[in-house]
Formats: sequence, structure tokens, C-alpha cells
Amino acid sequence: GAGVSQSPRYKVTKRGQDVALRCDPISGHVSLYWYRQALGQGPEFLTYFNYEAQQDKSGLPNDRFSAERPEGSISTLTIQRTEQRDSAMYRCASSLEFRSRSSGANVLTFGAGSRLTVL
Amino acid sequence: AQSVTQLDSQVPVFEEAPVELRCNYSSSVSVYLFWYVQYPNQGLQLLLKYLSGSTLVKGINGFEAEFNKSQTSFHLRKPSVHISDTAEYFCAVTRTIAGGTSYGKLTFGQGTILTVHP
Repeated sequence: GAGVSQSPRYKVTKRGQDVALRCDPISGHVSLYWYRQALGQGPEFLTYFNYEAQQDKSGLPNDRFSAERPEGSISTLTIQRTEQRDSAMYRCASSLEFRSRSSGANVLTFGAGSRLTVL
Repeated sequence: AQSVTQLDSQVPVFEEAPVELRCNYSSSVSVYLFWYVQYPNQGLQLLLKYLSGSTLVKGINGFEAEFNKSQTSFHLRKPSVHISDTAEYFCAVTRTIAGGTSYGKLTFGQGTILTVHP
């Protein structure tokens, strides 16, 4: 697609429910990243993929959070047994490749985000 | 590990006035530096980046930033702002890795809300 698409844009759920957030990156982009942004804060890194391989999941806060990208394109971030502290904007980003010798750094294109509210 | 501090959480300014949004970072290794802008209900958009070379970096929409290694700062400036510049601005860093490349594991500051008044 033309940009990074995330769905749903807004999700309200009750504490204890599982939620799945979807990210559709720019077509052909190798790398995909998930960030979480709490109200009044900057985004925080959660995890990232190169193709279908999860390269770094050091930012996932606990084992209730998981992510997958089975075919190297669309990714799903799943939060099990949601808690109120999980309420945040979840942002996905993609980049053409994970490193670019021509520019020295990849550039992330972010989606509009999925706002999760846990009641 | 890296950290980023944006010194002002909110910056009000009148239209056509100059503005500076301050960013300081801390890192034990060399880094790349970025400024992103977030308009309401939109994703983060890259304004500019510093990788190497000239310490003065020009970006989109008339913004520029200057990398100061001795002061570990990367302040964002615009000589004359417009109403449309009202948004939240984020400074971010990522460490370089072997060969001068990096990947997109960014550390962001807390953000600065720029409000331009007519």
C-alpha cells in the first residue's frame, strides 16, 4: 500500500480480554517495528522484524505481549489478559531495509496508530 | 543505552516568529539523530535526520537542526513559523552499529507541543 496501515484505529476493551492489533506495512518493506506511546510520552520500542523473523523483542513489557509476522508482510501484536496499564497508542512502522549503506540509517514510516483503551 | 531529553513540554509562539525546540541526548556510543513531527490523528513524520557530515541539517517545511557533539544537543529551529506548524515534535536517537549503519530501534524524547497563535 501507499502507507503503513493499522487497524483498528480505536479499540475499547474490558480488563482481562485479549486484543489483536494489525499492521500492514508499505509493500516491499523488509523491516517492521512496533512501538507503544503512553499519553504525554514519546514512543517506546517494543519489537521488530526483518522479513518474518523477530529480531529483537527486548521492549515487550511481559509475556502477555507477543507479535508475529508469519509471511513477512502483515504483522499482529497480541495482548493477552489486558490490564488498564496497557492503555496506550500502539504504533507500527516499516522501513525498506534494516540497514542502508547509502544513507547510513534506515528511515521509518509510521502508521497512524491503534489507540487501545482498557476499562 | 541512550536517552533523550526534550527540555520544553510546551512551546507557544506567535505566527511568523522564530522558534527553537531543544533536545539533549545521552549516549556512550555514537548515534544518529532524528526529529519527527506528529500532527493530530496522523502518524509520525520524519522532519530531518543527522547521520554524519555537516552539523547543520535541513529538513522539510523549512525546519533545520544543528548537531552539537560537545553539548550533546540537537536543537530544532525554524526562522518563521506558520499556524500549520502546530503539532507535537519528537527528538529521537539510535545507536550506530558496525559499518555506520543502524536499525530502527529509536529512543524518543517525551515530545514538545508547539502551538502557533495567530
